[in-house]
Amino acid sequence: DTAVSQTPKYLVTQMGNDKSIKCEQNLGHDTMYWYKQDSKKFLKIMFSYNNKELIINETVPNRFSPKSPDKAHLNLHINSLELGDSAVYFCASSPRDSKVYGYTFGSGTRLTVV
Amino acid sequence: DQQVKQNSPSLSVQEGRISILNCDYTNSMFDYFLWYKKYPAEGPTFLISISSIKDKNEDGRFTVFLNKSAKHLSLHIVPSQPGDSAVYFCAASGGGGTASKLTFGTGTRLQVTL
Repeated sequence: DTAVSQTPKYLVTQMGNDKSIKCEQNLGHDTMYWYKQDSKKFLKIMFSYNNKELIINETVPNRFSPKSPDKAHLNLHINSLELGDSAVYFCASSPRDSKVYGYTFGSGTRLTVV
Repeated sequence: DQQVKQNSPSLSVQEGRISILNCDYTNSMFDYFLWYKKYPAEGPTFLISISSIKDKNEDGRFTVFLNKSAKHLSLHIVPSQPGDSAVYFCAASGGGGTASKLTFGTGTRLQVTL
């Protein structure tokens, strides 16, 4: 039974389109995240939600909008996709003491914008 | 500004020998350090963490050493096994920002040969 699941696993789309990535966790964690891994393999945080409340919003273009309908779900919607958005997007969740036990990551969504 | 650095992109070690993966950081406010392991097409998996007030933490074959004065940490894997072949990410928590945010290095690809 997958702990953090994200869909789709692969997404190929044209520039200018709008797309969404969904994430769900069944671990009962309070906090969820979106990370982006770019072509240089940097894993950078984009957003974090704690109990449906946005707590981290890094310098991310307004075209990216996270939505958390409940604490088990955190979706990412991207408007007007650009070539530079091509990357692997990872969803993650963590318990309250995440520093000791770390995050649990999903398997990633590889987004390719053509 | 890369606050967490893994200067070795790859490392090859024979099965049964010790693997040593290194990580340097620049932000003295980081208070926890974590190591993650990542297989292709999967999300990173949490391995081990260490508090900045400690200098060593051990869990089975994995030991993390922290040298605060040098702002350096290392992950030792003894003995190395073929299944350890993966990309290893160092991450740091704290750093003056939101407590739950992790800052990642770019990873070191470990190959354990027979």
